Amino acid sequence: DAKTTQPTSMDCAEGRAANLPCNHSTISGNEYVYWYRQIHSQGPQYIIHGLKNNETNEMASLIITEDRKSSTLILPHATLRDTAVYYCIVRPTSGTYKYIFGTGTRLKVLA
Amino acid sequence: EPEVTQTPSHQVTQMGQEVILRCVPISNHLYFYWYRQILGQKVEFLVSFYNNEISEKSEIFDDQFSVERPDGSNFTLKIRSTKLEDSAMYFCASSEGLAGVYQETQYFGPGTRLLVL
Repeated sequence: DAKTTQPTSMDCAEGRAANLPCNHSTISGNEYVYWYRQIHSQGPQYIIHGLKNNETNEMASLIITEDRKSSTLILPHATLRDTAVYYCIVRPTSGTYKYIFGTGTRLKVLA
Repeated sequence: EPEVTQTPSHQVTQMGQEVILRCVPISNHLYFYWYRQILGQKVEFLVSFYNNEISEKSEIFDDQFSVERPDGSNFTLKIRSTKLEDSAMYFCASSEGLAGVYQETQYFGPGTRLLVL
């Protein structure tokens, strides 16, 4: 089973920041947090990942709490094309290469 | 930007028939994966493949499934005798395959929608 808990759905106004939370209270010290999204039924698209420090790239920012039990994905200026299911995945650094997907958060960006 | 490609985009087959789903991973990647997603359900891991061997597989990946890297660019998933419940989106993914780096990012293809009648 997935080691993460995410809200089932969220709405966000176009142009505003979308903040998507993820709880991973049982995360271990060597486990990374990855974020992907899936638009319609397309393949999952990589967004960002991190271990303990906050990360930023051209798509999003990832804020990880100091105790690492939760994180937030931030899309700074959401557009209609950001409407998708967003998955938060916890991955170990050894033993397995597979991703375990949960049900994710369905983000709807409203015009 | 390099990307994973998959063919066909859609496949319709009769129950009991064999199907082969094809993937072209990102060119310098060495680790390959198959996942599937039944309509309305989660994305599920099927198998990972490295150095011409299966490195990990799930319970779903039974004897009806096989994977192969027939040449230097393609990676295939074969289902020998399809069942109705094999109807799903099948996603191929690849990662760099650096030795011992389990936290590599996987890049997914657009998927093949398989419908078994």
